[in-house]
Amino acid sequence: KQEVTQIPAALSVPEGENLVLNCSFTDSAIYNLQWFRQDPGKGLTSLLLIQSSQREQTSGRLNASLDKSSGRSTLYIAASQPGDSATYLCAVQGGVKAAGNKLTFGGGTRVLVKP
Amino acid sequence: DVKVTQSSRYLVKRTGEKVFLECVQDMDHENMFWYRQDPGLGLRLIYFSYDVKMKEKGDIPEGYSVSREKKERFSLILESASTNQTSMYLCAATGQLIYEQYFGPGTRLTVT
Repeated sequence: KQEVTQIPAALSVPEGENLVLNCSFTDSAIYNLQWFRQDPGKGLTSLLLIQSSQREQTSGRLNASLDKSSGRSTLYIAASQPGDSATYLCAVQGGVKAAGNKLTFGGGTRVLVKP
Repeated sequence: DVKVTQSSRYLVKRTGEKVFLECVQDMDHENMFWYRQDPGLGLRLIYFSYDVKMKEKGDIPEGYSVSREKKERFSLILESASTNQTSMYLCAATGQLIYEQYFGPGTRLTVT
């Protein structure tokens, strides 16, 4: 059974510092990996999706890498801003399409960027 | 952008009531999902549907049922609400090609 872990559970950094968020998964047979952002009391916003054949994806200040063989993904946020404060979740989709594209989520990393 | 909407942001119901949570997506997406999110337990899949009138149980289907009569609408039903179903409920939709999941804003359900 796939398990997804995000460490640390919480992170506090001063504004301007680069953020590094980690995600690990136990079964390397994944179809894709997705990073989400969640603000308190809100739904999830998709940030980046990395397909299993890709090594990284970039969007603005965000860069996500994927190392399937070691079961790891890292989300980098450059030059953090107070508006980046949120919970960041990673989720992996299993390699079997017939499973309905189900995602397995990590517990999330709660980020606070201090002005 | 895909838009996924949920009928209510906040809902308060009494124990034993039948509760309907509605989810609508505005793209022609095949797959739809219902999750619940609880502190310390993360997101857990309740049910999903990969086509009209098709449904499959997720990890925690007990106490819930679903309905998908039209492609754009996926409903979660609590047949007899209980206090342990107090939670944040999140609906999601995904396409067939890239399978990126898009989430609705969530419904915070309180059962008293």
